[in-house]
Amino acid sequence: TQLLEQSPQFLSIQEGENLTVYCNSSSVFSSLQWYRQEPGEGPVLLVTVVTGGEVKKLKRLTFQFGDARKDSSLHITAAQPGDTGLYLCAPHTSYDKVIFGPGTSLSVIP
Amino acid sequence: EAQVTQNPRYLITVTGKKLTVTCSQNMNHEYMSWYRQDPGLGLRQIYYSMNVEVTDKGDVPEGYKVSRKEKRNFPLILESPSPNQTSLYFCASRQAGEIAKNIQYFGAGTRLSVL
Repeated sequence: TQLLEQSPQFLSIQEGENLTVYCNSSSVFSSLQWYRQEPGEGPVLLVTVVTGGEVKKLKRLTFQFGDARKDSSLHITAAQPGDTGLYLCAPHTSYDKVIFGPGTSLSVIP
Repeated sequence: EAQVTQNPRYLITVTGKKLTVTCSQNMNHEYMSWYRQDPGLGLRQIYYSMNVEVTDKGDVPEGYKVSRKEKRNFPLILESPSPNQTSLYFCASRQAGEIAKNIQYFGAGTRLSVL
């Protein structure tokens, strides 16, 4: 069983602040995705990273895949209330298999 | 509009009363799956289907059944629900092939309570 951790579990910040959330494992993954899930909705794909060390930016969100492909981070600059949600790390253990972390629940207060 | 539609959105039932949660997608996707989401555990795959009449167990299949008679539909069946199946359930679909190259779309979820 692969252990997949996300930290912090909960995060509450003021609008305009920066934040970073982390996804860690002892396993090596072929690629990794991040999803955001808003209350009452299903997860929505934000990004896919496939190369160790890869950095991708999506507006104010910056995603990084660790050099060893065991971990990843998501940094949000100048958080806004619309960023509120559950952020799920979803690494790929094989060609067609994905696992999901427990998520980081982010609340951005206006 | 690309959609995965689940019904019902909310369901309260009693132990042992058979129920079915429906899932339909309009994207002609080959691959469909069911997940359950529990606090602190993330999403765990229950069953998946790679195409019509092809289904297989995921990580937590006990107590569940599925069928894939048509490409667009993938119902989840609980023959004899128990309280430990109280959870939030998601249906998802995507094109077959490498998961890193194919977006997986999720339904809005079905919140099930088994009393």
